[in-house]
Amino acid sequence: QKEVEQNSGPLSVPEGAIASLNCTYSDRGSQSFFWYRQYSGKSPELIMSIYSNGDKEDGRFTAQLNKASQYVSLLIRDSQPSDSATYLCAVNGGSGGYQKVTFGIGTKLQVIP
Amino acid sequence: DAGITQSPRHKVTETGTPVTLRCHQTENHRYMYWYRQDPGHGLRLIHYSYGVKDTDKGEVSDGYSVSRSKTEDFLLTLESATSSQTSVYFCAISESGSPEQYFGPGTRLTVT
Repeated sequence: QKEVEQNSGPLSVPEGAIASLNCTYSDRGSQSFFWYRQYSGKSPELIMSIYSNGDKEDGRFTAQLNKASQYVSLLIRDSQPSDSATYLCAVNGGSGGYQKVTFGIGTKLQVIP
Repeated sequence: DAGITQSPRHKVTETGTPVTLRCHQTENHRYMYWYRQDPGHGLRLIHYSYGVKDTDKGEVSDGYSVSRSKTEDFLLTLESATSSQTSVYFCAISESGSPEQYFGPGTRLTVT
């Protein structure tokens, strides 16, 4: 079992819709959770960090964490074509130590105008 | 890119030659990391540094070495490049006490 699992997609949503991106992780000791956005040919950009159970909102983005289910999600409201990118879920803590982060393979999101 | 530069940005080299990639930061962050990114594998940690002259291995360290003689510079060396090391290499940094990592622009390396 991979440590951080994501569906590689592509996930296609129409412009203006809500995009829902999901991630599961295997290490119950994980402490911090991140979402990165990566445009084609570019480097990953940190867009959300979440450390405790529940929701965290930042503009059109909402990160959701459920440690009991070992599940992290990212909701993008009012999706725009500029949101088309690959979204990487990342997890740290647990057996890997505080500074080591494990990344999923990413979900490719396509927002259709 | 959070004050991080990587050089070169693109490189083509032949099998068996040594290659050094450089990461330079202006943020004075303690931690620096080297990752490679390949289709189907995502980002994988090669080596990381937790201070000047302090380094440790990641999950895919075979065939790679690193050095950090100054806070701002972290070098990744492929002693004898192989075709399996064709990849995109990213450097990242993080502050002491924070797990949030920020990435440089990347280096695309092709080994022929």
